[in-house]
Amino acid sequence: DAKTTQPPSMDCAEGRAANLPCNHSTISGNEYVYWYRQIHSQGPQYIIHGLKNNETNEMASLIITEDRKSSTLILPHATLRDTAVYYCIVRLQGAQKLVFGQGTRLTINP
Amino acid sequence: DTGVSQDPRHKITKRGQNVTFRCDPISEHNRLYWYRQTLGQGPEFLTYFQNEAQLEKSRLLSDRFSAERPKGSFSTLEIQRTEQGDSAMYLCASSLGLVGEQYFGPGTRLTVT
Repeated sequence: DAKTTQPPSMDCAEGRAANLPCNHSTISGNEYVYWYRQIHSQGPQYIIHGLKNNETNEMASLIITEDRKSSTLILPHATLRDTAVYYCIVRLQGAQKLVFGQGTRLTINP
Repeated sequence: DTGVSQDPRHKITKRGQNVTFRCDPISEHNRLYWYRQTLGQGPEFLTYFQNEAQLEKSRLLSDRFSAERPKGSFSTLEIQRTEQGDSAMYLCASSLGLVGEQYFGPGTRLTVT
C-alpha cells in the first residue's frame, strides 16, 4: 500500500470549512483514497473514499488532484463534534486490511 | 453506534493470564477484522475473516493470539499468557463485499498489570 503523509495537527474555527491535506505521491492506479476519523475513545468511523473523481456525501467532500498524488478532505461547516484524529488511507482495490498512519489531530475551536 | 458491538469494553488482567474478547458484527456483513491500537498510534491490522475462514494474519499475531469466527457470525480473540506489551485497544470491524467500508466497534481496552 502506498504511504500517506498528513500534518500531525490542525486547528479550525467552528462554522468554518476544515481542509485536511494528504500526500500520497506513490499511489498506483488501482489504489483508492479512504478517509476515516476517530473521536476520542471510540472506534474509527468511515467518512468517504474515492479513486479519481471528487466525491461528496453528507459528511464531507473529497478532492483528489488530477495526478492523484494528493487529496484534501473538506468538512464544510465544522462543529465541535468534528474534533477527532483524521486518517487518510490508500487502499489497493480488493485489499482487505486498512493501513493507518498517525493521522491529523483536528481541533475545532469555539 | 455503528452496529458492531464488542465485549467487554474494558479488561484488566495480570500478566500471564488468558483473556478472551468477543465481537458481534453487523449481521449481514461477511467480513470481520481485528485491529490493535496502542496509545498515540493508528490502529494496526491483526487478522480478518471472510465468513468463518480466517484468510489473513498479520505478523503482529504471535502464537499467543488466536481468533475464531465459528459459523461466520460473532468472533472471539484470545490472548494466552498475557504480557504488559499486550496492553492496547482491540478493535473489531465488519464489512460487506470487496470495497465496502469497514464499520468499527467501540473497542476493548486491555490493561495488563
